[in-house]
Amino acid sequence: DQQVKQNSPSLSVQEGRISILNCDYTNSMFDYFLWYKKYPAEGPTFLISISSIKDKNEDGRFTVFLNKSAKHLSLHIVPSQPGDSAVYFCAASAGTNKLIFGTGTLLAVQP
Amino acid sequence: DAGVTQSPTHLIKTRGQQVTLRCSPKSGHDTVSWYQQALGQEPQFIFQYYEEEERQRGNFPDRFSGHQFPNYSSELNVNALLLGDSALYLCASSWRQDVKLFFGSGTQLSVL
Repeated sequence: DQQVKQNSPSLSVQEGRISILNCDYTNSMFDYFLWYKKYPAEGPTFLISISSIKDKNEDGRFTVFLNKSAKHLSLHIVPSQPGDSAVYFCAASAGTNKLIFGTGTLLAVQP
Repeated sequence: DAGVTQSPTHLIKTRGQQVTLRCSPKSGHDTVSWYQQALGQEPQFIFQYYEEEERQRGNFPDRFSGHQFPNYSSELNVNALLLGDSALYLCASSWRQDVKLFFGSGTQLSVL
């Protein structure tokens, strides 16, 4: 049973435009959410996180939005850059730091 | 400031063999978690070590075991290797139960 889902396996955007990556979850006990970026043959790199008591967190070009009632979060990247091309994983935790990952979205930013 | 380091980077084994993977956490971190990422899949939690004890465990068989040393480094052992154990094994470290995990580059294990 996949508790964290990323329904878009891939996304392609033009450089300078906005990238929006989506994530849905089923477990209402999740209280912390994170986004990781991963290049091939490398470990995931932390990007941004959000606590369940907030609905938005912003860090430079990256903003995460959380809609608890819909059990949905999204990552916005503005403006998108070619170096942002990678696999993006959404992850969630419920009171511990055991992370449950989504299946990932491959983002391709076209120059 | 060294990040999370893992060794070896690549490993080839045959079915039935045993393997040991090693991890040194980021400086200042005392908790180590291990994840398995099969090709095209998301990372799956194996277990976590803190104060030299296994604190949490995911849905992995007893063939997967670990150890944490007094210097916080950790080992992952897999016995009786199966073809399905082929994956990227990721080590992550944190300070106590801090949710923000720092990952190493992983060990790519191939079982033939």
